[in-house]
Order: sequence, then structure tokens, then C-alpha cells
Amino acid sequence: GENVEQHPSTLSVQEGDSAVIKCTYSDSASNYFPWYKQELGKRPQLIIDIRSNVGEKKDQRIAVTLNKTAKHFSLHITETQPEDSAVYFCAASQVFGGGADGLTFGKGTHLIIQP
Amino acid sequence: GAVVSQHPSWVICKSGTSVKIECRSLDFQATTMFWYRQFPKQSLMLMATSNEGSKATYEQGVEKDKFLINHASLTLSTLTVTSAHPEDSSFYICSARPTGLARTYNEQFFGPGTRLTVL
Repeated sequence: GENVEQHPSTLSVQEGDSAVIKCTYSDSASNYFPWYKQELGKRPQLIIDIRSNVGEKKDQRIAVTLNKTAKHFSLHITETQPEDSAVYFCAASQVFGGGADGLTFGKGTHLIIQP
Repeated sequence: GAVVSQHPSWVICKSGTSVKIECRSLDFQATTMFWYRQFPKQSLMLMATSNEGSKATYEQGVEKDKFLINHASLTLSTLTVTSAHPEDSSFYICSARPTGLARTYNEQFFGPGTRLTVL
């Protein structure tokens, strides 16, 4: 089955600086890679996702890059703000003609934005 | 749009009893729903995939006789934890994938989760 590794487990950055979180996956059949933000006791919120036929996607201060050959993808947050503090999870799954698999999540990164 | 609800939001039960958790997609139809479990300060682990009108598919290591899943309609899936024990205490979260979603997307909308505590 799929295995997703995520690093670092904790990331502390100064407000206004950039944050980068990296993930690797093992199953070359995976073709959909979302990133979720989860605040304590709350549901995961999708912040950005990317398909395997795209190398990069950007949405305002958030961007994701994907290297299919190396099987890794990264989340980039620029101009970090205090409200960006949360746990971030990467995930991978396979979408196919008849449906889709469930998500395999990384272990999460606790992002701390220092004022 | 794309709202998923779960009920109850939290439940405390005695060891040996069964607990049913409901997951509903409120404004869309979901042929496929997923059940995840999250222990404190850990990641989400996929337990099972629930397809409307058919048997659920369980991940390796998840006991299908202990975690009963029913997906009787396009907007409702239920998870029943049978004969619950303290080690089943966890945060159970469902997600729903809208029917007809483009084949290259697997966007899933998560419910708010159910905190189960077994005494």
C-alpha cells in the first residue's frame, strides 16, 4: 500500500517568513495530492491540491510543487501570519475510472508562527 | 456548499456497549464515503471505504466485525463500533466524495468528527 513520509514534524518560523513542508510517497500509482490544515479538535480543511499531471499550483500565499519522478511534493507558504499556525497534513491517493481510494496521510507538521 | 455533518459530536460509553456514528452529506450526493480514525496528536488513518449499496472495504488491520459500516443512501453512512473497549477511544472522522467528481480529482469533504471515549 501507499506510504507517505512528511517532514519536519515541527516547524517554527518568524511571522512574515516562508514555510516549506515536504512529503514523499511510495506508490507510483498515486495521482492526487492534497494538503490539509487542521486546528486542534477540528476537521481537516483542504487548503490546496495537485494532480499528477501538474508540476506546480499556486493560490495566493500557498503553493504546492510535485516531482513525480522523485515521488515528492512540497507545500510552500509565503508571508506567514499568526493564523497560519496549525497542523498541516499532506496526503496521497489514487483516482481511477470507477472512483477513488481513501487518502493516505503523512504524520503531520506542527507549524508555529512566532510573532 | 459541500457540507458534511456527523452525529454525535462526542459520546462516552461503557466498555462492552455499541456506539453508532452517523455521517451525512447535507448538500450533495456521495457515492463514496470514507471513515478515518485519529488518535491524539497523531495523523488520520483510513479505516474503510464505504460505497452506497455495497459492502465496505476495510483497510488491513481493521476488524470488519467490530467496525460495522452501512451506506444505505447517497447522503448517509454509519459506523457502528461494537463491543467498544477503552482502546477504541479516538476521534472518528468521516469524509464524503461528491458523486460525479471529475475523474482526476479526489476532493473529500470532512465531517467535524466524533470524539469517542470508552470507560
